[in-house]
This record gives sequence, structure tokens and C-alpha cells, in this order.
Amino acid sequence: EVQLVESGGGVVRPGGSLRLSCAASGFTFDDYGMSWVRQAPGKGLEWVSGINWNGDSPHYADSVKGRFTISRDNAKNSLYLQMNSLRAEDTAFYYCALYIDHVGFEYWGQGTLVTVSS
Amino acid sequence: EIVMTQSPATLSVSPGERATLSCRASQSVSSKLVWYQQKPGQAPRLLIYGASTRATGIPARFSGSGSGTEFTLTISSLQSEDFAVYYCQQYNKWPLTFGGGTKVEIK
Repeated sequence: EVQLVESGGGVVRPGGSLRLSCAASGFTFDDYGMSWVRQAPGKGLEWVSGINWNGDSPHYADSVKGRFTISRDNAKNSLYLQMNSLRAEDTAFYYCALYIDHVGFEYWGQGTLVTVSS
Repeated sequence: EIVMTQSPATLSVSPGERATLSCRASQSVSSKLVWYQQKPGQAPRLLIYGASTRATGIPARFSGSGSGTEFTLTISSLQSEDFAVYYCQQYNKWPLTFGGGTKVEIK
């Protein structure tokens, strides 16, 4: 059974940093690209960042480029999102999602809430 | 980036009726279009990929069509469990982008 478990969310002040983690199990982690997708409370889905199977091709939404860094550790079956210079508009649930080529996001975690507030 | 626009924002439908949801891309995405369903408090669920292929376990009452810039998700006979928010998403070009969603509510 595929499982994606996010952690690392919390409350942070504007300008602060936070690192999210996603622990994956139930599939061959280094066979797949992974992404982070966020959803502000009561709002729609926004793709944030994605990374290919070996980590050498990251992509970012314009809204986070230069502030967020995605990475992965295939030996630990883990995905990460380093978030710097956080803003109030970054407040959201952050989902880790398994991306299958030509299919989409077939598996999702349950999300971790990041709140940016003074 | 490719902008995805969904309409209507809210669709009021009676159980057993047909629902038709639209998604428009600001430029061609070929058939690289996915539909998701999301219920309150849950992560999204993949329904349709490649614009028209149902994902594993998705009932036949869900169907997708379209290519290029115009896409449609049809739910042929709404069941109680289908009342939810539906999102389209393109995977033709980075950055990946989602539509704003259509909420299907009980009439």
C-alpha cells in the first residue's frame, strides 16, 4: 500500500524558514517523480514544486521560485521542501504527491499545515 | 505559464441528474489533462487522465473528453457521494497548473 506521510508543518513568522518532509513507502521511491502541492484554507489547489526520480531536475511555481528548494533522498525514501523567506500568502496545507508520467498525481499524503503569521 | 479556467464555479444539480463541468487552457495542452475530485477534509483523488481515461476504480458514470484547449468532465447520473469539488490540471508544460475548481452541490 502506498503511503505518503508529511511532517514539519507549524507556525512561523513572516520571513522565517521551515523544512517539510515526506516519508514514502509501499512503492519503489526512486522510480517516480514527486511534487509538493498546496491548498490555502478554503481555496483551490496550487502546484508548488516537483522533482524527477534522481533529483537533478527540479521545477518550481513562479510564486515560490528563489525561496523554496525541493530535494529528495532516495536512500531514505524521503522528499523535502525547504521554505525560506516565508510570507503570509504561503499559509496552506502542503501535500506530498506521487507523480506518474502521463497520468498525474495518483497518490497524495494527508497534508501538513503551514501557518505564516506574526 | 498555462492558465486553466474552470466553469462554472458552482454547479447545483439534483441526484440522478447529469453534470457537465468545463475546463479551458490558455494554450494547447494536447490531451495532457487530468481531473481530480476533492471532498472536505480529504486529499484529492485522481479521476481521469489523458483527458479521457478513467483511473483505476473510478465508476463508469465519470467521463472526460476534449483536447487542445477545451475539456469536459461529465458525471452521467449524480450519486450522493459525487457532491464535491472538481479540479482540472495540465501536465503538458512546467509549471504544472490547476484550474480554480468547480463545486458540485446538491440542488
